[in-house]
Amino acid sequence: QLLESGGGLVQPGGSLRLSCAASGFTLSNYAMTWVRQAPGKGLEWVSTISGSSGRTFYADSVKGRFTISRDNSKYTLDLQMNSLRADDTAVYYCAKKGSSPHHDYWGQGILVTVSS
Amino acid sequence: QSALTQPASVSGSPGQSITISCTGTSSDVGGYNYVSWYQQHPGKAPKLIIYDVSNRPSGVSNRFSGSKSGYTASLTISGLQAEDEADYYCSSYTISNTYVFGTGTKVTVL
Repeated sequence: QLLESGGGLVQPGGSLRLSCAASGFTLSNYAMTWVRQAPGKGLEWVSTISGSSGRTFYADSVKGRFTISRDNSKYTLDLQMNSLRADDTAVYYCAKKGSSPHHDYWGQGILVTVSS
Repeated sequence: QSALTQPASVSGSPGQSITISCTGTSSDVGGYNYVSWYQQHPGKAPKLIIYDVSNRPSGVSNRFSGSKSGYTASLTISGLQAEDEADYYCSSYTISNTYVFGTGTKVTVL
């Protein structure tokens, strides 16, 4: 199970930290991903962190502003979002990578609204 | 990384078969057999229905099948049912060790 938290309303230029609590599997064995969906739009891959090495990857649209991290001992995945813009407004999903490059389990999503 | 190209909408009558295409490049769909498909009902999280081009997770109906030829992957839904009405997204692993999603297809059951 994956459960996101930390969403809400933030002003442009502000910061927000999303968290995803994982249960039911050994978090350290799997890469984890954040995917977002703007209102009425499609899915957009945001960032992935590998399971063991903690290697990180980012979409160009968030590179330098967002930081993905994980605490395998606490079974949590985080997304620190800085310098937020209106076009970052979206539902953010955390997702578990499967045995090959796909995502087999998704959280229910959390809404982030960037507006003044 | 540009989104993979899917038709905006596909429709069919109950019992019919429909196919959704997903076109990419040599850096994603054409370069790897790591295409996955997700079903999303309104207000819900995406659900994995096909992975590694043609594999179905446990519990997913065998009415869903996937294939790939060159730079284009396809999802076929056979025996269309009312519950299949949803948005469908393809996704591919990329040469940059990242992921890219398709533009999404709205399936309507007439």
